[in-house]
Amino acid sequence: QKEVEQNSGPLSVPEGAIASLNCTYSDRVSQSFFWYRQYSGKSPELIMSIYSNGDKEDGRFTAQLNKASQYVSLLIRDSQPSDSATYLCARDSGAGSYQLTFGKGTKLSVIP
Amino acid sequence: DGGITQSPKYLFRKEGQNVTLSCEQNLNHDAMYWYRQDPGQGLRLIYYSQIVNDFQKGDIAEGYSVSREKKESFPLTVTSAQKNPTAFYLCASSIEAGEWEQYFGPGTRLTVT
Repeated sequence: QKEVEQNSGPLSVPEGAIASLNCTYSDRVSQSFFWYRQYSGKSPELIMSIYSNGDKEDGRFTAQLNKASQYVSLLIRDSQPSDSATYLCARDSGAGSYQLTFGKGTKLSVIP
Repeated sequence: DGGITQSPKYLFRKEGQNVTLSCEQNLNHDAMYWYRQDPGQGLRLIYYSQIVNDFQKGDIAEGYSVSREKKESFPLTVTSAQKNPTAFYLCASSIEAGEWEQYFGPGTRLTVT
């Protein structure tokens, strides 16, 4: 069973701070990793995809991937109350499979 | 506007009844997926379809059925055999199978009493 582990939180950060969300996974078959944001009662929204080791930046979001250590993280700079949501980490299930495996999500709360 | 639509947003049924959830997309995506989300749980894959007239079981297919007669449509039937059908059901699509970026519809919240 390919697992994705996330701290369920809640993670509370003050407005303007950097929020750091982490995700670890159990093996090295995956090549693609994703971060989804899910507001309460809504569906997940894809915010970042990362395929190579290192950092990928998009606006206030930076995804970091370290395949050797089997973790992927999401940094949110200048956190805003509108960033308060549950963040889901997902990874592909390897060649020949068409499934994504999702973590249970980390709930982020940005305090004004 | 391109996107994925799911209807209805909320659905209530009595135990023992089959119910069909609608999913339509106009993104011209080949692949479509159905997930279930329970409180405090990650998304779990029910069924997926790579192309028209083809679909495969996911991790929790028991008690569910699907069809894919048109590229745009991938309806999910929750049968009376599904022991715990109350959940948030999410439909997603991707450009093609193996293209990992999946985009979700707004979801249908099903309550069975």
